[in-house]
Amino acid sequence: GAVVSQHPSRVICKSGTSVKIECRSLDFQATTMFWYRQFPKQSLMLMATSNEGSKATYEQGVEKDKFLINHASLTLSTLTVTSAHPEDSSFYICSARESSNQPQHFGDGTRLSIL
Amino acid sequence: KQEVTQIPAALSVPEGENLVLNCSFTDSAIYNLQWFRQDPGKGLTSLLLIQSSQREQTSGRLNASLDKSSGRSTLYIAASQPGDSATYLCAVFGNQFYFGTGTSLTVIP
Repeated sequence: GAVVSQHPSRVICKSGTSVKIECRSLDFQATTMFWYRQFPKQSLMLMATSNEGSKATYEQGVEKDKFLINHASLTLSTLTVTSAHPEDSSFYICSARESSNQPQHFGDGTRLSIL
Repeated sequence: KQEVTQIPAALSVPEGENLVLNCSFTDSAIYNLQWFRQDPGKGLTSLLLIQSSQREQTSGRLNASLDKSSGRSTLYIAASQPGDSATYLCAVFGNQFYFGTGTSLTVIP
């Protein structure tokens, strides 16, 4: 089946550091990738949608200058959390789909802890 | 705005029992509905995808139904096993994905 690889799986870093998370579709071309955030005991919340070669669409309340998303190729999207603070600590999950009538396939997530 | 609700929030059953998880959504203008399973600290595993024109999908011991007009979907798990213990999420896709808060399932050996 379709595989989405997300890296790293866990990051612990100091406040003020920028952190990059990668999301790769390994065996299909992902025209659209999604980034989600999940706080403890809450459901996933969509942060942004990115289509290959175009700017990401951010959900209301998500700072685009803080959460930089790049979808430069059909197999790779990156999320960079700039100048991370403790309140950014969360579980970040990416997903990818080949086309609108195909299911989303999810990465294993990245646990981000900002000290 | 679309709201997705899952009932119950938690469920504990003995091994071998059949069970039903419920998902309801407020806006019937959806393209599809997807059921996922999430293990603690992990990402999501897609279980079943139902297009808006379909009424059900089956995969092994899993059967998902969709009644778009009433805004409801159910996930039926037959002959439950301890390995089925996880959180089950439903998500509807209109112009974006909206997730429910999940049902935490524990299957007792």
